[in-house]
Amino acid sequence: EAGVAQSPRYKIIEKRQSVAFWCNPISGHATLYWYQQILGQGPKLLIQFQNNGVVDDSQLPKDRFSAERLKGVDSTLKIQPAKLEDSAVYLCASSLDRNSYGYTFGSGTRLTVV
Amino acid sequence: KNQVEQSPQSLIILEGKNCTLQCNYTVSPFSNLRWYKQDTGRGPVSLTIMTFSENTKSNGRYTATLDADTKQSSLHITASQLSDSASYICVVSPNSGYALNFGKGTSLLVTP
Repeated sequence: EAGVAQSPRYKIIEKRQSVAFWCNPISGHATLYWYQQILGQGPKLLIQFQNNGVVDDSQLPKDRFSAERLKGVDSTLKIQPAKLEDSAVYLCASSLDRNSYGYTFGSGTRLTVV
Repeated sequence: KNQVEQSPQSLIILEGKNCTLQCNYTVSPFSNLRWYKQDTGRGPVSLTIMTFSENTKSNGRYTATLDADTKQSSLHITASQLSDSASYICVVSPNSGYALNFGKGTSLLVTP
């Protein structure tokens, strides 16, 4: 079974630039999550989708972060404009349903803002 | 306040030795508790998952225990290998299934 695919693996940008990350979940997984993991900390949930609807985006900095999941499959997370403190690993995860069964993480995108 | 606390923050052990990592949580109500291994630069990989009624679960050299009364879990690694060097994250899921509660992880380094 293919895992959760994320791209790119690494990205370096200057502050105030824009960046986008892509995630392709495991086939059939209705729930998709984006996490931000700052070095030395556990992942922090940014947004959770159920199919193509948003379930929880309470911790998403909406002034600069946006995410969408068109057609309930792939998802993109965008940061515009980026700040130095956005440097982190951005993890995508998917699960069969909102009860989190079959919860699987992608390898992440490491973002460095300089 | 983080509802999942892990200790120690970091640990260095010699190859072949055993070690135990701790996780205390205050999440309530509680659905399940998971341990993940996260290699540097990679996403977390699930090691074990335990529901309220389970008190031990093994996966090879990894054995997790759960005491739901005291809200404590431990991950025991037997006969450590160099490849065990990673961050180990405890994750607690509330009944609602909405948001997982992550610990900050224990960074384990196994040395020759």
